[in-house]
Amino acid sequence: NAGVMQNPRHLVRRRGQEARLRCSPMKGHSHVYWYRQLPEEGLKFMVYLQKENIIDESGMPKERFSAEFPKEGPSILRIQQVVRGDSAAYFCASSPRADGNTEAFFGQGTRLTVV
Amino acid sequence: SQKIEQNSEALNIQEGKTATLTCNYTNYSPAYLQWYRQDPGRGPVFLLLIRENEKEKRKERLKVTFDTTLKQSLFHITASQPADSATYLCALMNSGYSTLTFGKGTMLLVSP
Repeated sequence: NAGVMQNPRHLVRRRGQEARLRCSPMKGHSHVYWYRQLPEEGLKFMVYLQKENIIDESGMPKERFSAEFPKEGPSILRIQQVVRGDSAAYFCASSPRADGNTEAFFGQGTRLTVV
Repeated sequence: SQKIEQNSEALNIQEGKTATLTCNYTNYSPAYLQWYRQDPGRGPVFLLLIRENEKEKRKERLKVTFDTTLKQSLFHITASQPADSATYLCALMNSGYSTLTFGKGTMLLVSP
C-alpha cells in the first residue's frame, strides 16, 4: 500500500503564473487535508476535503487559492497568479476517518518557490 | 485566542538521557492530542495519540502524558539516540471538529 503521494516534489513558478499541486491519498482513504508550512513556522491548516466535497476551507485564503478532490483522480491544490509570499512547503495528509482517534498520513510535500 | 505552544528553542541532550518535550494549549478543548515527528525536507510522521480521558500512553521508548487541567501534554523519549534527532510536533483536535491544529514544533538534538 503506497503512502500519500504528492507531486511535484519541487515546483518553481514566476510571479503571476499558476501552480498546481497534486495529492494521491492512501488507498481507501477518502479524507484529504492540505497544510502549508513556512520556514520556522508550524503547519497551517488550509482545507479539508472528502470525495467531491469541500468540508472545511477556513484556512484557505479567499482569493487565488482553490482545492478539489474529484471522484476519480488526485486532490488538486491550485494557486492562481502566484506571489512571492506563496513560497512554502505544501503538505497533503489523508485518513480513513474524520476524527482525532486516527492518525493522519502525510505526503513528502511540494516545495513551491516563486521567483 | 487559541494557542498551541511548544518550546521554540532546540532541546540538546546527550545520548542515553530522557528527552522531555512540552506542549501547552489555551482556549482549546481537545478530545484528542497527537504527536508527530518531522525530519528536514520530509512530511510529518505519526507517533502517538492520547485521548482526553487518558492520563498516559506508552509505545516502546515513547511516553505521552495529557493533563486537561493544566492544559498540557508532555512527550518523553527514554534512552535517547542520535537517530531521535528531529522536530516533534503536537497536534490537537477539538471535540466536534475534524481537523488537526499543529504547534510549531520543538527541535530535538541528541548528541553521541
